[in-house]
Parts: sequence; structure tokens; C-alpha cells
Amino acid sequence: EPEVTQTPSHQVTQMGQEVILRCVPISNHLYFYWYRQILGQKVEFLVSFYNNEISEKSEIFDDQFSVERPDGSNFTLKIRSTKLEDSAMYFCASRGDQAETQYFGPGTRLLVL
Amino acid sequence: AQSVTQPDIHITVSEGASLELRCNYSYGATPYLFWYVQSPGQGLQLLLKYFSGDTLVQGIKGFEAEFKRSQSSFNLRKPSVHWSDAAEYFCAVTNYGGSQGNLIFGKGTKLSVKP
Repeated sequence: EPEVTQTPSHQVTQMGQEVILRCVPISNHLYFYWYRQILGQKVEFLVSFYNNEISEKSEIFDDQFSVERPDGSNFTLKIRSTKLEDSAMYFCASRGDQAETQYFGPGTRLLVL
Repeated sequence: AQSVTQPDIHITVSEGASLELRCNYSYGATPYLFWYVQSPGQGLQLLLKYFSGDTLVQGIKGFEAEFKRSQSSFNLRKPSVHWSDAAEYFCAVTNYGGSQGNLIFGKGTKLSVKP
């Protein structure tokens, strides 16, 4: 069964460093999403991406965040200058055209020291 | 504002007992409703979803949920809980009419199962 994959599973970085989180969505899907979950809190929407551009973003998704689909398979989230409060689990999700279900990857746990 | 409320933060049930997890939503448009389950350290797995039609929907692992528009609720049920059901459960809502369908999640209910 097709699934969303994410790498790395864990990432530890120093405050102020740049990190790139990678996702490979399900191959024929067209809508891509990033969510985050701070430890002990609910899952929060960050950004959605369709047709090679951001379609919606939350207030969390400020200028230090960016997303990219550099090729036909990868979908990345870049955090330019990490802050302590960026420590969280980051989930990628994808959805097919004319479909309603978002399928989630296993997540990347980011720890900023 | 759109929101999802899961009033129970933590529930403990005995193995074999029935389960009901509550979810209430506030959404201006016709909602698409989901329940996801998250085991410790794992991602989010879809249990079931409601878009239209029969208001009682069946999901995986023996779970079901009932959509009640008049109560703005979408409660998750299971007649007999298994120890492997211990996990965190998230209710979520979206609408694909005017957006890309960003999911709005509740805060989750952690389920513990006593032997």
C-alpha cells in the first residue's frame, strides 16, 4: 500500500541553524501539507501546497519557513534559523485529486537546543 | 472561528469494556470529519471519516462514529476495547469547498486500557 515517508525520523540542531525536513508524498497525489505537533499539544496546520505554489498558510508559517517541491517526488520544509520553540514533531501529509482523505507520514521529531 | 473540542483529555477503560470518545466541532460550512489515532512515537493513522450519507460510519479496528448535525458531534465508539487500542485519538474537521482542506484538530484524548 502506498504511504507517505519522511526523513529524517529525528533531527537535533542548534538554535539559529537551518534545517530541511523531507517528505515523499504518495506518488499520484496533488495536494501536500505540513503540520506540527509540539509535545503534549494538538496537531497544528502549517501550510498547504498545490500546483507548485503555497495555497494556504497559517500564522505559524512565518518568513523563517519555506516549502519546496524540488522534483517530482520530494516535498521539503525548510526552517531558516531555528528557535527553541520550533522543537516539535513535524508531519507531512498528502491528498489525491478529488479525494478527501489526507494521508500522514510518520513524522520528523525536531529538537532545537 | 472553526474549532474542534475533545472534552476528555484522558480516559481509562478496562479491556473488553465499551468506549466512547467525544468530539464536538464548530464549523460554518458542511464539515468533513475524521478520526485519527496516534500510537506513542508514531504518525497519524486514519480510523474513519464522514463526508455525507449514512451518519453512522464504520472504520478500521472495529471503530465506528456517528455524525449528529443537531449536536455538532462526531463521537467515536467501540463495543469492546482491546489492550492494543491504547493510544491518543484525534478528531479533525475540514471543508474542501473553498480551501485546500487544511485539517483542524482537537487536542486529543489519550486512552489507557486496564487489563
